[in-house]
Amino acid sequence: DGGITQSPKYLFRKEGQNVTLSCEQNLNHDAMYWYRQDPGQGLRLIYYSQIVNDFQKGDIAEGYSVSREKKESFPLTVTSAQKNPTAFYLCASIGHLTFTEAFFGQGTRLTVV
Amino acid sequence: GESVGLHLPTLSVQEGDNSIINCAYSNSASDYFIWYKQESGKGPQFIIDIRSNMDKRQGQRVTVLLNKTVKHLSLQIAATQPGDSAVYFCAEKADFNKFYFGSGTKLNVKP
Repeated sequence: DGGITQSPKYLFRKEGQNVTLSCEQNLNHDAMYWYRQDPGQGLRLIYYSQIVNDFQKGDIAEGYSVSREKKESFPLTVTSAQKNPTAFYLCASIGHLTFTEAFFGQGTRLTVV
Repeated sequence: GESVGLHLPTLSVQEGDNSIINCAYSNSASDYFIWYKQESGKGPQFIIDIRSNMDKRQGQRVTVLLNKTVKHLSLQIAATQPGDSAVYFCAEKADFNKFYFGSGTKLNVKP
């Protein structure tokens, strides 16, 4: 089945550590996105990528980094520079034919301990 | 960033009634507006979209209305069912395929 997979589902990080969230899609989509969701709030755009080896900052990119070495993969690293990383992180992808229908992963809940 | 917000954070309806979820947007240049449904602990799912040059679009049990004069978007759900209980987000598609989401409305369907 085609889809978008995020892992892990739950992640715990000690303060000062970097962690990497995985996002893989087999939908052959060019565009991929990372969003952050805080309780009771909407989704805020962290980074997005329209094509392999290219990505752009979203509205809240500080403290995060991404790479897009393969079309299928768009990992997000939450660095120690992100002062409030506890949140629900969602990865999405969009195809050029269905360009309003974003497919989302199941999310990763990151908690700083 | 763009401003996409919702009028009501929580909406409670009786099973079988119609639901109306509202959304205000600020970017007149957006070419598409989209509604997503998010169930607890899951990623959002696409419901329906509407192009900016339309004022109404219907899907299965759902209708989206766009009023560009007052920058208002609404989602109507007919004969609301318990499975419709979720958080609903409106989103707008802006330049360079960026999507901006509102803060969400929680829909509670009472049996």
